Amino acid sequence: QSALTQPPSASGSPGQSVTISCTGTSSDVGGYNYVSWYQQHPGKAPKLMVYEVSKRPSGVPDRFSGSKSGNTASLTVSGLQAEDEADYYCTSYAGSNSLVFGGGTKLTVL
Amino acid sequence: QVQLVESGGGLVKPGGSLRLSCAASGLTFSDFYMTWIRQAPGKGLEWVSYISGSGKTISHADFVKGRFTISRDNAKNSLYLQMNSLRAEDTAVYYCTTLTYYRMDVWGQGTTVTVSS
Repeated sequence: QSALTQPPSASGSPGQSVTISCTGTSSDVGGYNYVSWYQQHPGKAPKLMVYEVSKRPSGVPDRFSGSKSGNTASLTVSGLQAEDEADYYCTSYAGSNSLVFGGGTKLTVL
Repeated sequence: QVQLVESGGGLVKPGGSLRLSCAASGLTFSDFYMTWIRQAPGKGLEWVSYISGSGKTISHADFVKGRFTISRDNAKNSLYLQMNSLRAEDTAVYYCTTLTYYRMDVWGQGTTVTVSS
């Protein structure tokens, strides 16, 4: 159960788009469409932003979108806003009844 | 609305035990898989365990097998995590969440476990 690989940091100016990657293997990200993304503000519980690679829960702005190519999933935040500054984590089903998280990416809005 | 409230965290010595609880409301609890996720200070999220709605399917991360046990009482709308042989590296905020097709929809506010002598 090795952690998925995310860049430690990402940044963008208000209104810009930023993409965060999440790289795994064919045993997790590449093997299943059960990739989800979570947003966490300091001192708060995480919040589900995207599930099953590209689906958005009710109430999540359509500025947040997900995709996957091979063993790498991506979260794109378009039209960056100040409140998007947070930590973002990906997770995937990894087979054998296990889940694995990425190490997290700190998104800074410049 | 759906609400999850964790309790039971605290300070415990290495080798000690602790039982975390998670009280659920606003949902048909027995219909939901549930998980425990933890976050060490300044670190990322880490999956700990999950359990099916009936309690018949259970899975633990490799690092907790043999030490932690997840369970539930559907009559009390409650989820538990029994933690034994605690180590310093188990120090973390522990969250309970619902689990639907491997996504964690609803999270509690977390309970803090500190393992220190």
